[in-house]
Amino acid sequence: AQSVTQPDIHITVSEGASLELRCNYSYGATPYLFWYVQSPGQGLQLLLKYFSGDTLVQGIKGFEAEFKRSQSSFNLRKPSVHWSDAAEYFCAVGATGGYNKLIFGAGTRLAVHP
Amino acid sequence: DADVTQTPRNRITKTGKRIMLECSQTKGHDRMYWYRQDPGLGLRLIYYSFDVKDINKGEISDGYSVSRQAQAKFSLSLESAIPNQTALYFCATSAAPGQGGPLYNEQFFGPGTRLTVL
Repeated sequence: AQSVTQPDIHITVSEGASLELRCNYSYGATPYLFWYVQSPGQGLQLLLKYFSGDTLVQGIKGFEAEFKRSQSSFNLRKPSVHWSDAAEYFCAVGATGGYNKLIFGAGTRLAVHP
Repeated sequence: DADVTQTPRNRITKTGKRIMLECSQTKGHDRMYWYRQDPGLGLRLIYYSFDVKDINKGEISDGYSVSRQAQAKFSLSLESAIPNQTALYFCATSAAPGQGGPLYNEQFFGPGTRLTVL
């Protein structure tokens, strides 16, 4: 069965520090991969997506993610975190059969210290 | 104005009551979804609809029903609410994949409805 694992439930970083959020997926074919961010009291917003091509994808708000097929990973990175990045981050994979069904990971909650 | 709206934003109800959560969208998308979010579990799909005449169960549809009243409106009902349905509920929409394009399009989410069942 397809699944998405986000190993880190909570991460705390200092403002200005670099960030990497981990995501591992289980999927037989070429995956469609997404990162969403949920700010407090808000819905989910798409940060970036990977469908094919260049394995390093750029997103909004200065985020990037790298698809590594050999590791079944799609980790999210940001070189310098801002206090406004404090939020919950969800990795998702497109489910088998298409139909735009997504399987989400459990999420990683990011706290940013000043 | 928000593209995907949900009403109510917060609701407290009692066990056994019937509850309806409503979702409206102005994006012109054919596809609409209902998810619930629980701490530590991420988002799980309850129901999805590809057009007014097409409704499908997701992974956790038991205890829920939906109605697609129009392209722009998709309602979620709890016929007899129970405490373990306390959660944050999200509606989402997406465009149908284009001919020859990728299978997946971005899903746009509403702000969520926080439901508490006592």
